[in-house]
Amino acid sequence: GAVVSQHPSWVICKSGTSVKIECRSLDFQATTMFWYRQFPKQSLMLMATSNEGSKATYEQGVEKDKFLINHASLTLSTLTVTSAHPEDSSFYICSASHRANQPQHFGDGTRLSIL
Amino acid sequence: GENVEQHPSTLSVQEGDSAVIKCTYSDSASNYFPWYKQELGKGPQLIIDIRSNVGEKKDQRIAVTLNKTAKHFSLHITETQPEDSAVYFCAASSGSGTYKYIFGTGTRLKVLA
Repeated sequence: GAVVSQHPSWVICKSGTSVKIECRSLDFQATTMFWYRQFPKQSLMLMATSNEGSKATYEQGVEKDKFLINHASLTLSTLTVTSAHPEDSSFYICSASHRANQPQHFGDGTRLSIL
Repeated sequence: GENVEQHPSTLSVQEGDSAVIKCTYSDSASNYFPWYKQELGKGPQLIIDIRSNVGEKKDQRIAVTLNKTAKHFSLHITETQPEDSAVYFCAASSGSGTYKYIFGTGTRLKVLA
């Protein structure tokens, strides 16, 4: 149980395009989803927290107009990187939690490469 | 601000030996402490967790201990196997608000066959 699916797993695109990443909880309802960014050989950096039906809460220094998050249902959250540039290249990982103070279950990440 | 320190950053052990990874947290309101294993190119996988009302928890070869007074918690892996090789992250959650995690910096464990 507690499976989180993330899609796509890998994407390469040209600078200036927008990229959407999906995060789905397959066998449970996720009241809260989290989006992280991870640089090579580094820890996970929380970007934002989203609760179903409400606006995402962004961490300090994360541009909300750059990283658009939508959590329209209890099983789906999306992260859209708008007008992506090479410095946005990274490993993006989502996690989902069934309810407050329950473990976060992670997807397998999306490797984003902007040329 | 809130911080979780993790040591060591790298750890090599012989197959069959034990491995110990230690974390220290700063926020005294933290009450939930999960450990994750991350293999190359994958997302973190929850391997064990502990809440602040418990001092120790064990699941087969894996155990976690918590010392609330000293604000540190440790992961113990016994009888290590090559497939235990991965990066391990500790985290602390305050249990309030959004229940977000503060992650440690990670430990790269290598089990030598």
